[in-house]
Parts: sequence; structure tokens; C-alpha cells
Amino acid sequence: QLQLQESGPGLVKPSETLSLTCTVSGGSISSTSYYWGWIRQPPGKGLEWIGNIYYNGNTYYKPSLKSRVAITVDTSKNQFSLKLSSVTAADTAVYYCAIIRRWQVRIDYWGQGTLVTVSS
Amino acid sequence: NFMLTQPHSVSESPGKTVTISCTRSSGSIADNYVQWYQQRPGSAPTTVIYEDNQRPSGVPDRFSGSIDSSSNSASLTISGLKTEDEADYYCQSYDSSPYVVFGGGTKLTVL
Repeated sequence: QLQLQESGPGLVKPSETLSLTCTVSGGSISSTSYYWGWIRQPPGKGLEWIGNIYYNGNTYYKPSLKSRVAITVDTSKNQFSLKLSSVTAADTAVYYCAIIRRWQVRIDYWGQGTLVTVSS
Repeated sequence: NFMLTQPHSVSESPGKTVTISCTRSSGSIADNYVQWYQQRPGSAPTTVIYEDNQRPSGVPDRFSGSIDSSSNSASLTISGLKTEDEADYYCQSYDSSPYVVFGGGTKLTVL
């Protein structure tokens, strides 16, 4: 059973870079069956897909966020990470890491989510 | 790119049946699988329907999914409503795999 755990600061200042890491357990991040993704949910609002990475480093980002987002993978640590630059209050959200089945593009596993607040 | 549009909210009484729609703005709803996720307050979403109409193990058969090409929409139907079904429901599909697309979510109230 794959499990995910997000980690990172819960408070980020405006204009700075939000950084989160997702640790995968119960399986290998080098699996060819999955994408590794990030999804966020502003308080009281809906789910928003941020982007995915494949084990080989290929990335896919939501077009409206592409200029500020970077997702990387560290196969040696079985982790993948999110960086979101130039944050504003609108980036305040619960951030989920997720495992996305490759061919069917469905979310098979979710992390518990971590709230990141952008505030000075 | 396309959008998935859901009603903001629906409500129904216990024991009744409710259907939540998810309409695709462009392209065919049948082109790409649709999933449905249930999210209770303070928790991560969980899958109630995947690949249009498949139920994960552990999800009651009161939950069913379908797609309708004539309306270009997917539907989640919950029969025999229980108070525990009260939650937010999201449809999800994808565009030019693996670009994930979510609907805006529907708040189900069971009263």
C-alpha cells in the first residue's frame, strides 16, 4: 500500500518561494506505472491540479502556473518536491501530493495534505 | 483545454436518490475517463467512482457512475442516501494526458 507524506513550512512570506516535499513509502518512485503530482485546495474552495512529474523527470504543469512552478524528483530518497515562486495570498491552500495512475490518469493515492499560509 | 462544470450544491432527503452532473465544455466526455472523489471536511478526497463507472472495493453499490454523450456529461448517482454521504464531490478527467482537470465540486446536503 503506497503512502505519501507532505512536509515543509506552513508559513511563507509574500514574494518568496513555497517549498514542499512528498515522501513516498510502500513502493518505488521509479515505478513506470505512475505520475507523481501536486494538487492544492484554497480554504473553502475546490481542488486545483498544479502539475505532475514522471520518474524520468518529465514534467507537466497547469498552464496558468507554469511560469512559477517546478516539480522535481529524487529517486535516491524516494521523494518528489514542489517549488512555487513569487507567492501571494492567493497561493494560501492545503497542498496535497498525489499518485496518479499513468494511463488512466486517475488519482490512486493522496497525502494527508498540508496547509501553507502566505502572510507577512 | 476544457472545463468540467458541476452544480455548486444539491440536497436531498435520506433514503432518496440524487444525481450530480459533470459537463465537459469541449471535446467528447467519452474521450477520457472520468473519476469521482468524495471529500469530507478536513480530509483528503477518496475515490468513489473511477474510469466512468467502476467502484473501488469498499465503496457501497449505492454509488454509481455513467457518461452521456448526448449531454456530454458524466453523472454520479447515489441511491438510498445516508447522512454519512453528506460531503463535497468532485469529478476529474484529463486533457492530453497527463494534464489533470477537476470540476468545481458539488456540496451534497442530506437533510
